[in-house]
Amino acid sequence: GEDVEQSLFLSVREGDSSVINCTYTDSSSTYLYWYKQEPGAGLQLLTYIFSNMDMKQDQRLTVLLNKKDKHLSLRIADTQTGDSAIYFCAERTAGNKLTFGGGTRVLVKP
Amino acid sequence: NAGVTQTPKFRILKIGQSMTLQCTQDMNHNYMYWYRQDPGMGLKLIYYSVGAGITDKGEVPNGYNVSRSTTEDFPLRLELAAPSQTSVYFCASGSRDRVNEQYFGPGTRLTVT
Repeated sequence: GEDVEQSLFLSVREGDSSVINCTYTDSSSTYLYWYKQEPGAGLQLLTYIFSNMDMKQDQRLTVLLNKKDKHLSLRIADTQTGDSAIYFCAERTAGNKLTFGGGTRVLVKP
Repeated sequence: NAGVTQTPKFRILKIGQSMTLQCTQDMNHNYMYWYRQDPGMGLKLIYYSVGAGITDKGEVPNGYNVSRSTTEDFPLRLELAAPSQTSVYFCASGSRDRVNEQYFGPGTRLTVT
């Protein structure tokens, strides 16, 4: 079956690192994604990782994938107030469809 | 180009009324999607389309209909609106060549009372 789960909330101080975690159940997922949603806006793709990779780094973002445990994480280095948003992980399933987690609300405190 | 546009931004419907949510993309994308986002929840796929003339059900299609007569447009129809359809609706599009990128519209906030 397809189920993606995330913790609901993360509070972090400006300048610290944030780590957002996600677990998924579909072992046939080929790609996993991180999206960012700012208040009143649609989702913006941040980064994605292919299932045969363990890690992907893109500037301040680091994605770690543990395929054995079906665990995905997003680390944001030097978190800024502009990083306050809801972050969704998603997996690509059959038919090029995305299954989303419930989102993690990240609050960056100055 | 404008990307993915949705109209209206907000709408209040009475129970039993009908309406069409409009979605247009100007990126010549093959794939288009409709999602709903309930408060505090992730997105659920309602319907999707892989090209003009082709549509298919997603996870939560009941109470909705779609059509895809052109590449650009993918309207979502609500017949006999119910309070359970109160949600934010997002349209998205993607290219067959760049399947890892879905571009989202700004959303339509619908309230059914």
